[in-house]
Amino acid sequence: DQQVKQNSPSLSVQEGRISILNCDYTNSMFDYFLWYKKYPAEGPTFLISISSIKDKNEDGRFTVFLNKSAKHLSLHIVPSQPGDSAVYFCAASEMNYGGSQGNLIFGKGTKLSVKP
Amino acid sequence: DTGVSQNPRHKITKRGQNVTFRCDPISEHNRLYWYRQTLGQGPEFLTYFQNEAQLEKSRLLSDRFSAERPKGSFSTLEIQRTEQGDSAMYLCASTPATSRAGELFFGEGSRLTVL
Repeated sequence: DQQVKQNSPSLSVQEGRISILNCDYTNSMFDYFLWYKKYPAEGPTFLISISSIKDKNEDGRFTVFLNKSAKHLSLHIVPSQPGDSAVYFCAASEMNYGGSQGNLIFGKGTKLSVKP
Repeated sequence: DTGVSQNPRHKITKRGQNVTFRCDPISEHNRLYWYRQTLGQGPEFLTYFQNEAQLEKSRLLSDRFSAERPKGSFSTLEIQRTEQGDSAMYLCASTPATSRAGELFFGEGSRLTVL
């Protein structure tokens, strides 16, 4: 049973437009959410995170929105650039349950293609 | 290169053989994690070390799997009597105690193919 779901395996966007990647979760105990980006033949790299006490976190072109009542979060990339083409993983954690902060539950990923 | 280093990058083995992967974390990162990623899935947590102490193990880590970090620096992940279902990318990540929560620095991974 997947606790973190990314229902869109792929997304194609034109350069300069907005990319919106979605993620749903089922575990109400999750209190920290993250997005990682992965290029081929490389390990995932941290992109942005949000605590459950917030509903929005922004870092440059990247904004993550959290809707706790819907158990949904999204990543907005504006404007999208060809270099953003990668697989994006949503991840969640129960930071306050006493374990490590690196025990993350990942979704299956969404492959973003930004076309010039 | 000061990133997380993993060796070998690719290992092909026959079912029943033992394999060992090595991870060299970023210098002075006291926390080290092993994840496994199978085709079409996201990474799955396997185990966590703080310095030399193994503090967390996933139930995915069967008795055939063992991980060590003897001096709190590099780590090894050994898989005994490999099965075809062990075929996956094994990712190592490290982080310092002062990092942002959940921010892991991953290596490029070691890909295991069990024939």
